[in-house]
Amino acid sequence: GENVEQHPSTLSVQEGDSAVIKCTYSDSASNYFPWYKQELGKGPQLIIDIRSNVGEKKDQRIAVTLNKTAKHFSLHITETQPEDSAVYFCAAGFNAGGTSYGKLTFGQGTILTVHP
Amino acid sequence: GAVVSQHPSRVICKSGTSVKIECRSLDFQATTMFWYRQFPKQSLMLMATSNEGSKATYEQGVEKDKFLINHASLTLSTLTVTSAHPEDSSFYICSAVRGWETQYFGPGTRLLVL
Repeated sequence: GENVEQHPSTLSVQEGDSAVIKCTYSDSASNYFPWYKQELGKGPQLIIDIRSNVGEKKDQRIAVTLNKTAKHFSLHITETQPEDSAVYFCAAGFNAGGTSYGKLTFGQGTILTVHP
Repeated sequence: GAVVSQHPSRVICKSGTSVKIECRSLDFQATTMFWYRQFPKQSLMLMATSNEGSKATYEQGVEKDKFLINHASLTLSTLTVTSAHPEDSSFYICSAVRGWETQYFGPGTRLLVL
């Protein structure tokens, strides 16, 4: 089955700095890679996702890059703010696009702390 | 859009009782929903896949007779923890798949078994 490794487990940055979280996956069949943000006591919130036919995707201060050959993908947050502090999870799965939806395998999570 | 709700948000029960948790997709239909369990400071552990109109598929190690899942409609899935014990105390989270593409999570249910 799929295995997803996520690093670092904790990340501390100053407000305004950039933060990068990296994940690797093992199953070359995986084609869907979402990132979720989870605040304390709440469910995960989808913040950005990327599919294997795209190498990079950006949404305001958040970007995700994917290297299919190396089987790794990364989350980039620029101009970090204290409200970005949370646990971030990467995930990988296979989506057949309209016919079936495969389950996601999650990374271990990264605790991001943004200091004012 | 893409709102998923869970009820209750937290529940305390006595050992040996059963607890039902509801998961609803409020603004879309979801053929597939998932149930996860999360321990403090850990990642999400998939318990089962719930498909509307068919039996749930359980992950290895998850007791299907203990964690009963019913996906009665395209907007509702329920998880019943039967004969709950203190070790079942955890944060239970559901998710719903919209349009065969994206998985959206509910806010979670905190279960404490005394």
